[in-house]
Amino acid sequence: KAGVTQTPRYLIKTRGQQVTLSCSPISGHRSVSWYQQTPGQGLQFLFEYFSETQRNKGNFPGRFSGRQFSNSRSEMNVSTLELGDSALYLCASTELQNTEAFFGQGTRLTVV
Amino acid sequence: QKEVEQNSGPLSVPEGAIASLNCTYSDRGSQSFFWYRQYSGKSPELIMFIYSNGDKEDGRFTAQLNKASQYVSLLIRDSQPSDSATYLCAVNPSNTGNQFYFGTGTSLTVIP
Repeated sequence: KAGVTQTPRYLIKTRGQQVTLSCSPISGHRSVSWYQQTPGQGLQFLFEYFSETQRNKGNFPGRFSGRQFSNSRSEMNVSTLELGDSALYLCASTELQNTEAFFGQGTRLTVV
Repeated sequence: QKEVEQNSGPLSVPEGAIASLNCTYSDRGSQSFFWYRQYSGKSPELIMFIYSNGDKEDGRFTAQLNKASQYVSLLIRDSQPSDSATYLCAVNPSNTGNQFYFGTGTSLTVIP
């Protein structure tokens, strides 16, 4: 079974631009969550999508948004990029509620 | 704020010794608990999950959960140099989805 696939692996963007990251979960997994990882803050929960609906949301500004498609693939969008948005963005795929999450390799975003 | 706290370390143990990693969480209603291992530059990979009070063993790894004390631990027996990594404790306090809160991780070094 293929794992969680995130694209692209690396991105360099300029302040003020927007970016879209993609995540394909493990086949059969309907829950997709997004996390931001920085050296100072660690892994922080952004949001979770299940059956095309946002089910949970973390404490991030509205510049961070996402969506999920009918095939469970998910995208995350960050608008008006700031230097502080530079981070590793991780997508996690879960089969059932309260079960283990499997992470993709992440997208390393650098904002200059 | 649903906090998860870990000692950041670094923790150093000699090869063959037992490594003990600890984690406390603030949300008493938390449902599920996970330990992830993250090598430098890689994404987190699941080691173990535990839902009920007590011990759960898987090979060289034992997870311990005490909900009354809001405490989770991971023991690594016969530590190997390949166990050198950052260990992340994750808690899912949600009963409506998959929303993990992570500790900042404990850096473990196993000395040959």
